[in-house]
Amino acid sequence: TQLLEQSPQFLSIQEGENLTVYCNSSSVFSSLQWYRQEPGEGPVLLVTVVTGGEVKKLKRLTFQFGDARKDSSLHITAAQPGDTGLYLCAGGVVGIQGAQKLVFGQGTRLTINP
Amino acid sequence: DSGVTQTPKHLITATGQRVTLRCSPRSGDLSVYWYQQSLDQGLQFLIQYYNGEERAKGNILERFSAQQFPDLHSELNLSSLELGDSALYFCASSGPTSDEQFFGPGTRLTVL
Repeated sequence: TQLLEQSPQFLSIQEGENLTVYCNSSSVFSSLQWYRQEPGEGPVLLVTVVTGGEVKKLKRLTFQFGDARKDSSLHITAAQPGDTGLYLCAGGVVGIQGAQKLVFGQGTRLTINP
Repeated sequence: DSGVTQTPKHLITATGQRVTLRCSPRSGDLSVYWYQQSLDQGLQFLIQYYNGEERAKGNILERFSAQQFPDLHSELNLSSLELGDSALYFCASSGPTSDEQFFGPGTRLTVL
C-alpha cells in the first residue's frame, strides 16, 4: 500500500516569511501533484511533476520532485494571507490495465497571518 | 471553475437511508473518480470509472456502489447510511492519457 506523509500537518506563519512543505513516501510514483483546497470546496490542481529532479515554479511557489520520484516539496516565498489553505500532495500510481489512481497525503493546513 | 459539476451541494438524511450523488465530468474526460473526505481520514479514493466501466477500486464499502452512464456522468449510491458516513464526497475527472485530476465542488453529506 502506497502512503504519502506530509509535514508539517499544521503551519502558521507571518506574512512575508518563507516556508517549505514536504511530502514523503517509500514508494515510487509516476507523477506527483499538488493541490490547494479551500474550506468546503474541491481541491484545485496547482502543478504536476513527472520527472525525477524536476523543478517547477508558479509565481512565488516552487515545486520539486525528488530524484527517485518518492518525495516532493513545496516552497513558498514571501507568503501572503491569500496563500492560506489546505495543501495536498498526491502521488500517481499505475495499476492494473493501466488504470491511474492518486494516493493523497493527509494535507498541510497553512495559515498566513497578516 | 474546474468544469466538473456535482449535485446536490448539501444532503441531510437519517441513518439507514439511501442517497445518490451525481457527477458530470469535464467535457471530453472519460475517467471519473470518487473520493470521500472526512476530518480524521483525509481524502480517500473510493472508485474509478473509465468510459462506463469500473477501472479501479479503493476503500469503498460494500454498502456503496457507483456507475458511469453512456453520457459519462456518474452516480455514487450510498445505502444503509451510518453516522460515520457523514463526509464530503468529491468527484474528479481526467483525460484519457493524463493522471491529472480535476475536482468538482463536492457534496456534503450529513447523516443524523
